[in-house]
Amino acid sequence: KAGVTQTPRYLIKTRGQQVTLSCSPISGHRSVSWYQQTPGQGLQFLFEYFSETQRNKGNFPGRFSGRQFSNSRSEMNVSTLELGDSALYLCASSSAGGYNEQFFGPGTRLTVL
Amino acid sequence: KQEVTQIPAALSVPEGENLVLNCSFTDSAIYNLQWFRQDPGKGLTSLLLIQSSQREQTSGRLNASLDKSSGRSTLYIAASQPGDSATYLCAVPSNTGKLIFGQGTTLQVKP
Repeated sequence: KAGVTQTPRYLIKTRGQQVTLSCSPISGHRSVSWYQQTPGQGLQFLFEYFSETQRNKGNFPGRFSGRQFSNSRSEMNVSTLELGDSALYLCASSSAGGYNEQFFGPGTRLTVL
Repeated sequence: KQEVTQIPAALSVPEGENLVLNCSFTDSAIYNLQWFRQDPGKGLTSLLLIQSSQREQTSGRLNASLDKSSGRSTLYIAASQPGDSATYLCAVPSNTGKLIFGQGTTLQVKP
């Protein structure tokens, strides 16, 4: 079974731009969660999607948004990028959500200049 | 509010040593606990998931234990190898299902 894939792996953007990250979960998994990882804050939860519906949301500003498609693939969008958005963005896949084993992708490294 | 703590933040051991990594959590009403490994700049690899009803879970040279009453989990690594060098994270799901992570223990195994 293929693992979780994330594209692109690396991104360099400038302040004020917007960016879209993509995550394809393990086949058959319906839950996709997104996390931001920074050296100072560690891993922080952004949101979770299950069957195309946002089920949980973390404490991030509205510039961070996401969606999930009918094939369970998920996208995350960040608008009006700020320097502080530079981070490793990880998505996690599970069969039914946070109480099940979570499998993470390799991440997208976003650098905002 | 659930908080997860991992001590120490960093650990350096010679190859071949057996070692224990610690994870503590403030709310003992957990559903499960998951241990992950992260290599620099990479994603998280799931090592072990231990359910709240279990006391131990083993995979190869790894053994995770869980003591809910004391709010502690340990990850035991037997006969450590340089390839075990990485950051190890533990996480528990909150009551909404999102994972709450510790800050991790960075392990260096010296040849």
